[in-house]
Order: sequence, then C-alpha cells, then structure tokens
Amino acid sequence: EDQVTQSPEALRLQEGESSSLNCSYTVSGLRGLFWYRQDPGKGPEFLFTLYSAGEEKEKERLKATLTKKESFLHITAPKPEDSATYLCAAELGYNNNDMRFGAGTRLTVKP
Amino acid sequence: DVKVTQSSRYLVKRTGEKVFLECVQDMDHENMFWYRQDPGLGLRLIYFSYDVKMKEKGDIPEGYSVSREKKERFSLILESASTNQTSMYLCASSLWGGRGELFFGEGSRLTVL
Repeated sequence: EDQVTQSPEALRLQEGESSSLNCSYTVSGLRGLFWYRQDPGKGPEFLFTLYSAGEEKEKERLKATLTKKESFLHITAPKPEDSATYLCAAELGYNNNDMRFGAGTRLTVKP
Repeated sequence: DVKVTQSSRYLVKRTGEKVFLECVQDMDHENMFWYRQDPGLGLRLIYFSYDVKMKEKGDIPEGYSVSREKKERFSLILESASTNQTSMYLCASSLWGGRGELFFGEGSRLTVL
C-alpha cells in the first residue's frame, strides 16, 4: 500500500536551533515529492518539488533533500515565523490526481 | 496574485441537511480538487476535475458529489450531512499536466451536529 509517513508529529525548537523533519515514503512509483507549509486556519502553501534522488532545493532557511526512501526538510537557524505545520506529499499519478499526503509535522520555534 | 477562494470559512449544519461548498480560482487552471483534512490522517482526496463537466472520484467519494459547470468554479455537495463529515475541506487547483504545485484555498471548516 502506498504510504507517506512524517516524523516527528510535533517539534519544538529554540530560535536558532537547527533541525530536520523527515518524510518517508513507500510508494510504487514516485513522480515527485512535494513540501508544503500550512499556517493555522489556512490552506497549505507550496514550498518545493523534488523529482529524483539526490536532488536538493533551498529557500531561505529551508532545504529539502530526497533519497529513494525519504525526504528531509532541513531548517537552519529557525525563527519564530517558521512555526507552522509542514506537509509532504508523494505524487504517484499523472496530472496531480494521485497525491499521498503525510499527516504533517507541527513545528514551533520559541524566541 | 493567484487565488483560490472558498466561499464559506466556517459552517455549522445539522445531520441530514444538504451542504454546498463553493470554490473559485482565478488562474485559469484546468484541474480542481476537493480534499478533506483530519488530524492524524493528512489530506485525502474526495473528487477532482480536469475539465468543465468532468469529474473523477478520489479516495473517499462516498457521501459527496461535485459539480463543475464553469472552468473557474468547483462545488462540493453533501447531499445529507452526517456527523462523520465534520472536517476541514480544502479546495485546490493546478495546471493540466501535473508535475506542478497545487494552489489551495484557505479551507472550509464544517461542523455537523
């Protein structure tokens, strides 16, 4: 069964304390791995797409990496405004019609 | 600025009532989607549409129907709401061909009493 698992469920960091979020996937054919950020009461907002093992993408304090089994979202020197839920999703089908979402990691960054 | 707008942010309905959730996008996207989001379960696809008047079932279509009469508008219908349909409903759109990001609305939180 195609599955996407995110860990940890919740993560509390001090401002400036770097860490990583994990997204492991067991899917039959990965077309792309997506990361989204979701603020409370809002819809998810796109961050990155990764297509092949070894690929990396960066945006400000965030860097996403991909292996054949998992993806990591590395957060370097986080700030309180990075507090949010981070979702990953594995795209299996054509045309965005088969996306398997993880349950998310709720990140809190304390000043 | 691209936008997906969901008409109702918060709704409270009674069991058995008919519920309409409306979604409008201004990006001329071909694809539109309805997801529900529940704690610990992630987002699950209810229905999607890749063209006007076209619809495809997602993973959890039971108890729901959809309508897409115009390209920019995708409606989710609960014919007879039940308490297990209490959830956050998210509409999204994307360009035809996939391999691109989904643009989400802000969500509609539905409570069925």
